Amino acid sequence: DAGVTQSPTHLIKTRGQQVTLRCSPISGHKSVSWYQQVLGQGPQFIFQYYEKEERGRGNFPDRFSARQFPNYSSELNVNALLLGDSALYLCASSVGDIPNTEAFFGQGTRLTVV
Amino acid sequence: AQSVSQHNHHVILSEAASLELGCNYSYGGTVNLFWYVQYPGQHLQLLLKYFSGDPLVKGIKGFEAEFIKSKFSFNLRKPSVQWSDTAEYFCAVNKADSSYKLIFGSGTRLLVRP
Repeated sequence: DAGVTQSPTHLIKTRGQQVTLRCSPISGHKSVSWYQQVLGQGPQFIFQYYEKEERGRGNFPDRFSARQFPNYSSELNVNALLLGDSALYLCASSVGDIPNTEAFFGQGTRLTVV
Repeated sequence: AQSVSQHNHHVILSEAASLELGCNYSYGGTVNLFWYVQYPGQHLQLLLKYFSGDPLVKGIKGFEAEFIKSKFSFNLRKPSVQWSDTAEYFCAVNKADSSYKLIFGSGTRLLVRP
């Protein structure tokens, strides 16, 4: 079975640009979450989507947005990029709206803003 | 707000040494607890999880963790480490009866010398 897949794996953008990151969950998983991992820190929660609806949002500015598609894949968009947005962006999928389940992580997209 | 503290940022051990990594969380309610591992160049993988029941949890690759509710702790242990255990270890927590919003600690980098 394929795990969580993310694309692209690496990306370099200029300050002020916009970026879209993509995530395909494990087959059968209906929930997708996004995390930002800055070097030297643990992942920080950005968004969670379930059945195309936003279920949770972390402490990130409105420049960050996401959506989930009918096939449960997801995109994370970041507008007006800042140098501080440079990080590893992780996508995690889980079965869905069932308590006490684990999240499975993709390999991440390494975003560098110059 | 929930938070997770990992006391050791860097740990260096020789093979066959015993390992204990500390994790404390702050949250007044019932929680789920996780340890994830990130091997060099690989994605985050679940080592073990605690939802309820026996507070001594056994995971993959000989790891175990003990949930001590009175101390808000979930320390990770392994009796005898191997060179292949070299990785970064993250403790994480979310609210019980939830599959959402993992809160991660800052991680512990473990180097095992052959």
